Amino acid sequence: EDQVTQSPEALRLQEGESSSLNCSYTVSGLRGLFWYRQDPGKGPEFLFTLYSAGEEKEKERLKATLTKKESFLHITAPKPEDSATYLCAVRGNQFYFGTGTSLTVIP
Amino acid sequence: GAGVSQSPSNKVTEKGKDVELRCDPISGHTALYWYRQSLGQGLEFLIYFQGNSAPDKSGLPSDRFSAERTGGSVSTLTIQRTQQEDSAVYLCASSLGGVYEQFFGPGTRLTVL
Repeated sequence: EDQVTQSPEALRLQEGESSSLNCSYTVSGLRGLFWYRQDPGKGPEFLFTLYSAGEEKEKERLKATLTKKESFLHITAPKPEDSATYLCAVRGNQFYFGTGTSLTVIP
Repeated sequence: GAGVSQSPSNKVTEKGKDVELRCDPISGHTALYWYRQSLGQGLEFLIYFQGNSAPDKSGLPSDRFSAERTGGSVSTLTIQRTQQEDSAVYLCASSLGGVYEQFFGPGTRLTVL
């Protein structure tokens, strides 16, 4: 059964304290892995697409990586404005979304 | 450019009434998706339109839910005889095609009293 699991469910970091969010997946025929950021009361905002193992994408303090079974979203020296829920999705036969990691960055 | 828009932003209705939620996708996007997000939950897939193909309705939770997409653009999600468990945020997304990143609208918050 295709599924996506994100961990941890919640993460609290001090400003400047780097960390990583995990997205583990089981899907038949991965056709893409996607990271989104969702702020309260808003729709998810697209961050990255990764298509093949070994691929990496970067944007400001965020870096996404992909292996054959999981993806990591690395956050370097986070700021309070990085606080949000980060969602991972995979495209197999359908799109499957994880339940997200709620990140809080404390000043 | 214009993103995905949804209306209304909030809808409060009484149990048993029908509601219609509207989605205007990004111009030129052939794929359109509807999702439901309950408080503290992940996104639940409802339905997927791709071009002129028959929609993938496999995520619709009951026959009270239906959706249509007119002219390959605007989509309407209809919920008949609403129940309290239908209360959630309904999100619409569009993309260039079925394997590309999706761009989401702001959602419609539905409250069924």
